[in-house]
Amino acid sequence: TQLLEQSPQFLSIQEGENLTVYCNSSSVFSSLQWYRQEPGEGPVLLVTVVTGGEVKKLKRLTFQFGDARKDSSLHITAAQPGDTGLYLCAGERSGGGKLIFGQGTELSVKP
Amino acid sequence: GAVVSQHPSWVICKSGTSVKIECRSLDFQATTMFWYRQFPKQSLMLMATSNEGSKATYEQGVEKDKFLINHASLTLSTLTVTSAHPEDSSFYICSALTDRAGVYTDTQYFGPGTRLTVL
Repeated sequence: TQLLEQSPQFLSIQEGENLTVYCNSSSVFSSLQWYRQEPGEGPVLLVTVVTGGEVKKLKRLTFQFGDARKDSSLHITAAQPGDTGLYLCAGERSGGGKLIFGQGTELSVKP
Repeated sequence: GAVVSQHPSWVICKSGTSVKIECRSLDFQATTMFWYRQFPKQSLMLMATSNEGSKATYEQGVEKDKFLINHASLTLSTLTVTSAHPEDSSFYICSALTDRAGVYTDTQYFGPGTRLTVL
């Protein structure tokens, strides 16, 4: 049973298009984090959201945490080839820092 | 800040040998580190939680006798894959929890990963 369902798992788009990645669960998370990973490297933290309904922006990336803290989304505006990579959501259900990862979204942005 | 290193970055070994992977927090102390494995095009799967000075906590399905974890200091955790077999070939990633200035944060910083290939 996957506690965090991430979709889509693969996404191939043209430069300039917008996209949204979703992360859904039936469980409540105390916080949710989004990471980006390039091949052969470890994940790099993009953002942490902790409050229900919270919206955070990081340049062309917009992150939202659901009101019930069960889901989150990542929206990228005007995607660029440099955005290509594996995007991972990860939720923490209780203290101690243990994270549950979604399946990941492999994004390819073609010039 | 909050840099985590892993060594080696890649290793090739023969079946039946043991391989040790080091995870270090370079500029902070980490009482808790985590070990993950990742197969190609897949997400991270948590293997175990490593706590300094105590035994690691393994996730269900992870053989503790095969994947030995030692967290001997606040900046170093090691994962030893014992009697490695080709099916153990994977990308192993560690992470460390920050605890700066006595204020606990839940941020995990990940190492760059170690690519293990067992022939």
